[in-house]
Formats: sequence, C-alpha cells, structure tokens
Amino acid sequence: GESVGLHLPTLSVQEGDNSIINCAYSNSASDYFIWYKQESGKGPQFIIDIRSNMDKRQGQRVTVLLNKTVKHLSLQIAATQPGDSAVYFCAECLGSSASKIIFGSGTRLSIRP
Amino acid sequence: IAGITQAPTSQILAAGRRMTLRCTQDMRHNAMYWYRQDLGLGLRLIHYSNTAGTTGKGEVPDGYSVSRANTDDFPLTLASAVPSQTSVYFCASSEGQREAFFGQGTRLTVV
Repeated sequence: GESVGLHLPTLSVQEGDNSIINCAYSNSASDYFIWYKQESGKGPQFIIDIRSNMDKRQGQRVTVLLNKTVKHLSLQIAATQPGDSAVYFCAECLGSSASKIIFGSGTRLSIRP
Repeated sequence: IAGITQAPTSQILAAGRRMTLRCTQDMRHNAMYWYRQDLGLGLRLIHYSNTAGTTGKGEVPDGYSVSRANTDDFPLTLASAVPSQTSVYFCASSEGQREAFFGQGTRLTVV
C-alpha cells in the first residue's frame, strides 16, 4: 500500500554541522511533499515544501531534494543549531483532497554541543 | 492572527463519557482535519472536511464524529470514550494543495 517512511528514527548531529533527514515514499502519483518540524509539546510546523515538477528547493538554512526516480525526499539543514532539535516529519500529498495527505512516522534530531 | 485554536489543552476523561474537542481557525481555510498522534505511529487522520458542510472519514474514524457547520469550526466528538483513545489530538487546516497549519494539540487521557 501507500506509505511514507523514514530511514532513521533518530539522528544526532554536532552543533554547526549540516543535518540530512531522509524520507522514502512509495506512491509515484504523489505530486506535493512537505516537511514539518515538531518541537516537544507543540503542533507540527511547516518548514518547506516541494512539488513533483521540481527536484530542489531552498529556504532559509533548509533545502529539500526530491528524487522521483527512487522515490526519495531529503531535508538538509545547514549549520545545525540547538533550536533545530525536534522531530521532523515528511508528508506526501496525493491530489488536493484533505484525505490524501500521508505523514511519515518522524525522525528525532538531537544536537550535540 | 491566532491561526488554529484548540480547546481544551488537556483533559482526563472517564471511560464511557462523551467529550467534544473544539477547533477554530481564523484563516478562512476550506479544508480542516483531525489527527491523533501516538508514540511511534506518527499522525493518523481521523476525519477531514474539504469544505463547510462536508466531512469524510480518514484512516482511524471509529469512535469519533465531526461536524462542519461553518468554515471556522470543526469539533471532534468522542461519543463514549475508551482507553485506546488516549492520545494527543491535533486539528489542522489548509487551503487547496498547500501546507497544513496545526493547532497546539489536545492531550486526552481516558481512564
């Protein structure tokens, strides 16, 4: 069936280094992808999105890469800071209906001082 | 701008009791959603509404009901709570195929 999964449930990164969080999706019909950040005790917060007609999109300190050939999505965080500690979710969207957003189980990013 | 407001923030509920979780948005988004988040299972869609007056079932709808009388409000009702409904509940809204905005969550414990 359709699924969105993450390769690593936890990731530990040295402060100042770059972080890379990976996500695999299985439905080639997905046409919109989103990364969310969830801090402890809070709701998920939008970070960056990408549509299937793109392979790269950059934001402030974050870059999302989309490889449709292998159905892989990654989130790169440059110069990781303590405030980046959170759980990161990817989500794939199958059309515009509210019922067609599928979330992965999340990757916890921890920052070593 | 408040965005998405959920109430209550937390609740301890006796099994068998009825409970309504409230959700209000001020962004005039057409679509609204209810998710539950359990450890290790990520976000699972309970019910959704693509526009006022319509609702649909998500991945885990059993034991829950929703209504969408207007654009802003999307309450979630547990008719007779059971311990397996202990979870953190998130309401969200979005416009078209765009990112969803989430509330701060309601932590519900059914005892």
